[in-house]
Amino acid sequence: GENVEQHPSTLSVQEGDSAVIKCTYSDSASNYFPWYKQELGKGPQLIIDIRSNVGEKKDQRIAVTLNKTAKHFSLHITETQPEDSAVYFCAASKARAGGTSYGKLTFGQGTILTVHP
Amino acid sequence: DSGVTQTPKHLITATGQRVTLRCSPRSGDLSVYWYQQSLDQGLQFLIQYYNGEERAKGNILERFSAQQFPDLHSELNLSSLELGDSALYFCASTTSGEETQYFGPGTRLLVL
Repeated sequence: GENVEQHPSTLSVQEGDSAVIKCTYSDSASNYFPWYKQELGKGPQLIIDIRSNVGEKKDQRIAVTLNKTAKHFSLHITETQPEDSAVYFCAASKARAGGTSYGKLTFGQGTILTVHP
Repeated sequence: DSGVTQTPKHLITATGQRVTLRCSPRSGDLSVYWYQQSLDQGLQFLIQYYNGEERAKGNILERFSAQQFPDLHSELNLSSLELGDSALYFCASTTSGEETQYFGPGTRLLVL
């Protein structure tokens, strides 16, 4: 089955700096890669996602890049703010046979991001 | 707010007991996924239902079962509870044909 590795496990930055989190996946059939942010006591919240037919996607201060050949994808947060502090998870999934629905998300182990004011 | 609701928010019970966790998906979403989050295992997929039918199974113990009702809400039943079942349980839902999963706020289960 799919295996997703995420690094680093903790990341500490100063406000205004950039943060980069990296993930690798094992199943070349995976074609959907979301990133979730989880704050204390809350459920994971989707912040950005990318599909395998796209190499990069950006949404304001957040960007994700995908390298299908190397089977890795990364989250980039620029101009970090204290409210960016949370646990970030990468995940991978693939469409089920027949394309009627997507299957399970396989998550990385998470990165605890701390942004110091 | 994702639109996915889960009850109860917290649950404290004893070993050997049985509990039921409830999930209401976003309006119109036919797929429901259940995940377990623990410190040692991370976020792990348990089971998926689509329009009342089981679609996929992950690392779900035989002591656990789930179902999805005609109104599309889902319940996760955990029986013969052990200390190691203490975790956060999340459900997520998706619109048919879409891949984005929207997560509920979770149920925190503590087995004493």
